[in-house]
Amino acid sequence: AQKVTQAQTEISVVEKEDVTLDCVYETRDTTYYLFWYKQPPSGELVFLIRRNSFDEQNEISGRYSWNFQKSTSSFNFTITASQVVDSAVYFCALSEHGSSNTGKLIFGQGTTLQVKP
Amino acid sequence: KAGVTQTPRYLIKTRGQQVTLSCSPISGHRSVSWYQQTPGQGLQFLFEYFSETQRNKGNFPGRFSGRQFSNSRSEMNVSTLELGDSALYLCASTPGSGGVNEQFFGPGTRLTVL
Repeated sequence: AQKVTQAQTEISVVEKEDVTLDCVYETRDTTYYLFWYKQPPSGELVFLIRRNSFDEQNEISGRYSWNFQKSTSSFNFTITASQVVDSAVYFCALSEHGSSNTGKLIFGQGTTLQVKP
Repeated sequence: KAGVTQTPRYLIKTRGQQVTLSCSPISGHRSVSWYQQTPGQGLQFLFEYFSETQRNKGNFPGRFSGRQFSNSRSEMNVSTLELGDSALYLCASTPGSGGVNEQFFGPGTRLTVL
């Protein structure tokens, strides 16, 4: 069965600290996609990144970076030099490609990040 | 380009009533998905529509239904509301043929059932 686990429920850091959000997934499929979304207090989910199962290259986008390791079924997200505006709930999600090619996302429970000034 | 819009943003209903929520996808997007978000269950997939056809359905009772129109706008309906249906309902649209492309979410409709 597909499952996404975000073991960290809440994280609190002080501005400018680096923080890593963990994501572990389970799937029997060989082709799948992993996503990270940010949900600020306004409620709207904001897409951050998509990674397919064949691309294990790490990705860096400004202060954000992602580490994908198939060997440990993990797709961790690091924010460098955190800012107050990074405060939000972050969700990791899994989508299996399968034969139906549907857009069903399996979400983790989310990690609430609080960045204090 | 306008984002995904959802109406209404807030809704209060009583048990036993029914409700219809609306979602307008980003222009050109033909795939629309719906999710329910609650504190206890988190984000759960409801269903996905593509070209007016339901392509996938989550594990929800038959009281939850949806449809998509020829202009890709989608509605979801919940009949015989229960207290547990109180949630944030999120709609997402996807470019191309949908599937595993990134989904762009709307602001959601917050439904409160009294």
